[in-house]
Amino acid sequence: NAGVIQTPRHKVTGKGQEATLWCEPISGHSAVFWYRQTIVQGLEFLTYFRNQAPIDDSGMPKERFSAQMPNQSHSTLKIQSTQPQDSAVYLCASSLQGSQNTLYFGAGTRLSVL
Amino acid sequence: GQGVEQPAKLMSVEGTFARVNCTYSTSGFNGLSWYQQREGQAPVFLSYVVLDGLKDSGHFSTFLSRSNGYSYLLLTELQIKDSASYLCAVRSYGSSGNKLIFGIGTLLSVKP
Repeated sequence: NAGVIQTPRHKVTGKGQEATLWCEPISGHSAVFWYRQTIVQGLEFLTYFRNQAPIDDSGMPKERFSAQMPNQSHSTLKIQSTQPQDSAVYLCASSLQGSQNTLYFGAGTRLSVL
Repeated sequence: GQGVEQPAKLMSVEGTFARVNCTYSTSGFNGLSWYQQREGQAPVFLSYVVLDGLKDSGHFSTFLSRSNGYSYLLLTELQIKDSASYLCAVRSYGSSGNKLIFGIGTLLSVKP
């Protein structure tokens, strides 16, 4: 079991460019979560899928952020027109259905917007 | 509203203990979890509590008081390698499916 896999580990974009972050959840896990982490705000919830269906995107900045889960083996988080304030570590986590207090996190993608 | 509060830093001494406090407010409590996060690494699940009282898991113990919106993580026989950030997370019932809300984390420094 390789755990939750996130790619790339680091991404540097210029202001206004697009960034796509990838997540492969643990096989058999039906819930997938996206969080972002900064020193100031800590871990902020972005969005959540269950059985590939979007359940809660209340943490997503609506205008530029979007997330998809086209199949059970991967999810993507896309940020359009990146801004310096989007710089953060973006963490993906998965869990078993019924065990959503136990999240297994990936190593994260560190996004730096210059 | 909903929120999770933790002290930013805590310092203790090797061989002793440390208590990491967490207070929360939520509209529909559905469990509290603790995670450990080392520098540059992903958070790792430690413990989950949903009932009041102390849950003893050896090196880590967790306490919960739902009426007071309060929990703590107790680490005993501290080792230098316990130096890490400890995150408290609360799950609440909601129409949108029970997401975890995290505190900012308490950075524990264990000194020799």
